[in-house]
Amino acid sequence: DAKTTQPNSMESNEEEPVHLPCNHSTISGTDYIHWYRQLPSQGPEYVIHGLTSNVNNRMASLAIAEDRKSSTLILHRATLRDAAVYYCILRESILSVGQAGTALIFGKGTTLSVSS
Amino acid sequence: KAGVTQTPRYLIKTRGQQVTLSCSPISGHRSVSWYQQTPGQGLQFLFEYFSETQRNKGNFPGRFSGRQFSNSRSEMNVSTLELGDSALYLCASSPGTGENTGELFFGEGSRLTVL
Repeated sequence: DAKTTQPNSMESNEEEPVHLPCNHSTISGTDYIHWYRQLPSQGPEYVIHGLTSNVNNRMASLAIAEDRKSSTLILHRATLRDAAVYYCILRESILSVGQAGTALIFGKGTTLSVSS
Repeated sequence: KAGVTQTPRYLIKTRGQQVTLSCSPISGHRSVSWYQQTPGQGLQFLFEYFSETQRNKGNFPGRFSGRQFSNSRSEMNVSTLELGDSALYLCASSPGTGENTGELFFGEGSRLTVL
């Protein structure tokens, strides 16, 4: 799996938008960009993923650069419950029955602090 | 539907002992993978099982092993425990085939303390 680079930490205030950047300059054409987050004392949870186009779901938005070498996770209105470590991960797109499974390669992630 | 269940949630062992951790995946999921999380090394992949076969393995010594049963439940075992094995062990399940959305569903983990 290709490598990603994220800032160690970021701070935000409640109700404000948060933009979490991720650089992945060695991304291949078949790599999806995934985001997971880990709240304190919990296992990681899936947030969002995308390939080329921007993506939105109930939790967040994912903005992908045109050259796909970087992406940004957007939390539109941060809440105290969004305080977590956010991981940006690259994964191959298709998994077949006979194919060796691909592991999630976690970096250090970005620790997001949210203040009231 | 029920999430990923890991047992036990907490356990304390002494050096030299062995430990077995259990993971029940989401119903219908055939892939179970295990991760170790420590403050120093972060989240590291241990191994993945799919249809009772190990199909991917991380860079851990042979003291770390696992298996998967026909109902997709999985166990991992650590023998001859060392202090450095103290960690949060996380299990994740996924369908295992098809579009690799990457959406793994993690359990809350088993926190192992080795004294």
